[in-house]
Amino acid sequence: AQSVTQLGSHVSVSEGALVLLRCNYSSSVPPYLFWYVQYPNQGLQLLLKYTSAATLVKGINGFEAEFKKSETSFHLTKPSAHMSDAAEYFCAVSDRGQNFVFGPGTRLSVLP
Amino acid sequence: NAGVTQTPKFQVLKTGQSMTLQCAQDMNHNSMYWYRQDPGMGLRLIYYSASEGTTDKGEVPNGYNVSRLNKREFSLRLESAAPSQTSVYFCASRVDRGLGYGYTFGSGTRLTVV
Repeated sequence: AQSVTQLGSHVSVSEGALVLLRCNYSSSVPPYLFWYVQYPNQGLQLLLKYTSAATLVKGINGFEAEFKKSETSFHLTKPSAHMSDAAEYFCAVSDRGQNFVFGPGTRLSVLP
Repeated sequence: NAGVTQTPKFQVLKTGQSMTLQCAQDMNHNSMYWYRQDPGMGLRLIYYSASEGTTDKGEVPNGYNVSRLNKREFSLRLESAAPSQTSVYFCASRVDRGLGYGYTFGSGTRLTVV
């Protein structure tokens, strides 16, 4: 069975500061990993995904994530936060089949 | 724009009423999904359809039924709505399972059951 943990239901950063959103997973098989972003009153949009190629994955809007097998982590980072980054972020893991499990989400606030 | 279209966007039901949430995708995707989103619980899978003509239960199927009408359309029906079904419902699709394909999501249906 797979599971996803996102440490911190709410993270606040100042504009221009580093964004770090944490995701840890458990999976019995080599996983595919995803980050999605949800803006208010919208559906989820794919930010980036790891599918066993490069361990450092670059996504849209300047985000990137690094797959670390030894730590079972897939943390999301962005060097400099922008006000428009305020949203909810979901990490998800897939066992390469039909099963796709989402984490509980982390709400990112960006302070001026 | 290509994508996943959900209707309606908002709905208020009385306990015991029924309704159908509609979902259509125009990306020729094989797999379609219905999720519900509740605060602090992320997204939970209600039902999915791996291909036209097949449907399977997800994590929280009780109180719901689905129909994969054709490759494009996947509807979710609440036969007798309950307050516990107040939630935001998302339809999603993807090319196929496996191979690292992510989902494309609709914009959601906000359902309130009073």
